[in-house]
Amino acid sequence: DTGVSQNPRHKITKRGQNVTFRCDPISEHNRLYWYRQTLGQGPEFLTYFQNEAQLEKSRLLSDRFSAERPKGSFSTLEIQRTEQGDSAMYLCASSRVENTIYFGEGSWLTVV
Amino acid sequence: KNEVEQSPQNLTAQEGEFITINCSYSVGISALHWLQQHPGGGIVSLFMLSSGKKKHGRLIATINIQEKHSSLHITASHPRDSAVYICAAPFGNEKLTFGTGTRLTIIP
Repeated sequence: DTGVSQNPRHKITKRGQNVTFRCDPISEHNRLYWYRQTLGQGPEFLTYFQNEAQLEKSRLLSDRFSAERPKGSFSTLEIQRTEQGDSAMYLCASSRVENTIYFGEGSWLTVV
Repeated sequence: KNEVEQSPQNLTAQEGEFITINCSYSVGISALHWLQQHPGGGIVSLFMLSSGKKKHGRLIATINIQEKHSSLHITASHPRDSAVYICAAPFGNEKLTFGTGTRLTIIP
């Protein structure tokens, strides 16, 4: 148990629907990251927060994607108007600055 | 360009063999991470190291800052070590860039 919790673990949705994933990081961690991983590939960076501030967004994060961390604790990643290409595992990770990063178990998204 | 390269991509070995996985990165970094991912599972952090060597059980990680190279070793390998091993480096602003991973299979 890494302490980073992600929900839901699996989500199957129809193309065009919106989905939201939640990440609860380890409580004292001020950094929170979102990554996306497709089969056979390494994780790709999407965005990260330091406390409640979103410091960077990848170009992979199209306008249909939005992430929030309203109180500097949990974070949500919303995908609007899902497309089949969005099917992937969405990983959340957290850390304190300059410390080991801890990953959640991931949230699998299948868009049909 | 910030890159992380791993080798080999796939490695199959007999139980008990000594395993080495290599990682090279393109520019100077503050620390390098070694991670383990089991099929369908999340990622577990094995090591974060900025110099020298770290050991945890049968796992050993080394890094050579000057050569921009790191290795992960597994001694007395066991089938339960079968997983994907990923090295990752934080370039610039601390977000991690991942290697493509090494798929390790240990045969009993």
